[in-house]
Amino acid sequence: DSGVTQTPKHLITATGQRVTLRCSPRSGDLSVYWYQQSLDQGLQFLIQYYNGEERAKGNILERFSAQQFPDLHSELNLSSLELGDSALYFCASSVAGGARTSGDRTDTQYFGPGTRLTVL
Amino acid sequence: GQQLNQSPQSMFIQEGEDVSMNCTSSSIFNTWLWYKQDPGEGPVLLIALYKAGELTSNGRLTAQFGITRKDSFLNISASIPSDVGIYFCAGRWSSGNTPLVFGKGTRLSVIA
Repeated sequence: DSGVTQTPKHLITATGQRVTLRCSPRSGDLSVYWYQQSLDQGLQFLIQYYNGEERAKGNILERFSAQQFPDLHSELNLSSLELGDSALYFCASSVAGGARTSGDRTDTQYFGPGTRLTVL
Repeated sequence: GQQLNQSPQSMFIQEGEDVSMNCTSSSIFNTWLWYKQDPGEGPVLLIALYKAGELTSNGRLTAQFGITRKDSFLNISASIPSDVGIYFCAGRWSSGNTPLVFGKGTRLSVIA
């Protein structure tokens, strides 16, 4: 158990709908990262929040948005869902925000169990 | 997006054999991480490397941060059936404030 929790575990919805995925980081971690993993694909970075503020952005669609709340939990909102949005969505957390130029264990990411989204 | 070159893509080995997989990057990394993912589960951190040349073991697993800072390998000794899964390398470029970049994974199958 990594200490990162995600809800729900599974989500089935229809095209055009909007869903919210939730993530609670490990105790003491300030950074939250969201990743998408499609079938038999690697992990694609979507977005990072550090202590409530957006820190880095990856391949996140405009239909997707995220936020991190004062208690440090994060939500990923997916709207106008399409069939191709079906995937596993993972949240990860780390103590620090990854801004160093040298490696440090406080930037190491620990992953949650994921949310499997199925769009029908 | 940018990705690491991870090889091999898949491996079929006999139980008891040793396994080796590696990742290479065209740019210098300051961190290399190795994760294992079981089907439908989240990646689990196996080994983290933070300095060039660092060699770290975790049970039967050993990983090294290449001297050039552009590569890393993971070795598994005396494989067992529960080693089955997908192994991902991940790295962070040394420019700072960059997200992790993941390899495409090595799918390991162990034949008893």
